[in-house]
Amino acid sequence: AQSVAQPEDQVNVAEGNPLTVKCTYSVSGNPYLFWYVQYPNRGLQFLLKYITGDNLVKGSYGFEAEFNKSQTSFHLKKPSALVSDSALYFCAVREKYNQAGTALIFGKGTTLSVSS
Amino acid sequence: SAVISQKPSRDICQRGTSLTIQCQVDSQVTMMFWYRQQPGQSLTLIATANQGSEATYESGFVIDKFPISRPNLTFSTLTVSNLSPEDSSIYLCSVEMERGDTEAFFGQGTRLTVV
Repeated sequence: AQSVAQPEDQVNVAEGNPLTVKCTYSVSGNPYLFWYVQYPNRGLQFLLKYITGDNLVKGSYGFEAEFNKSQTSFHLKKPSALVSDSALYFCAVREKYNQAGTALIFGKGTTLSVSS
Repeated sequence: SAVISQKPSRDICQRGTSLTIQCQVDSQVTMMFWYRQQPGQSLTLIATANQGSEATYESGFVIDKFPISRPNLTFSTLTVSNLSPEDSSIYLCSVEMERGDTEAFFGQGTRLTVV
């Protein structure tokens, strides 16, 4: 069965410092991997995805993520954190199929808190 | 991409009543999904809704409690029936475009509080 793990409930960083939010996955085949962000009282916003190709994926708001197949990880990173990045972050996976029709499996979420 | 309008954005309901949540998409989509996000927790899939067929429910969710309609390719409703305080959650609808490698799009969510 597919699963996603986000080992940290909360990540605290100071503004201007680099941040990393961790994610590991488990699927039987090749994965499609996604990161979403949720601000208070808002729906989920898409940040970035890995489908194939370059292991370093760049997304919205200066975020990037590195796909590591050997470690089955897809950690979210940003070189310099902003206070406005404070939010709840979800990693999600879909097993690779040739057609749409499967829902995403979400990690439990990691709260990012950036202090000024 | 897809723009999803979900309403109501929030509601406070009495025990034993029902709430119907609407999800309108600005383009035709085959698959729509309904998720529940309980306080402080992740998203859990309730059901998958295809146009013209019965919704497919995940383990732990039943049609009597969470009836879903999908009358056309741009609209769906989720009803949460016989409400109890344990149903207090955020409910989100989601759509995916035809290809499996595209991201899912989400509505703004409906925050339900049962008193």
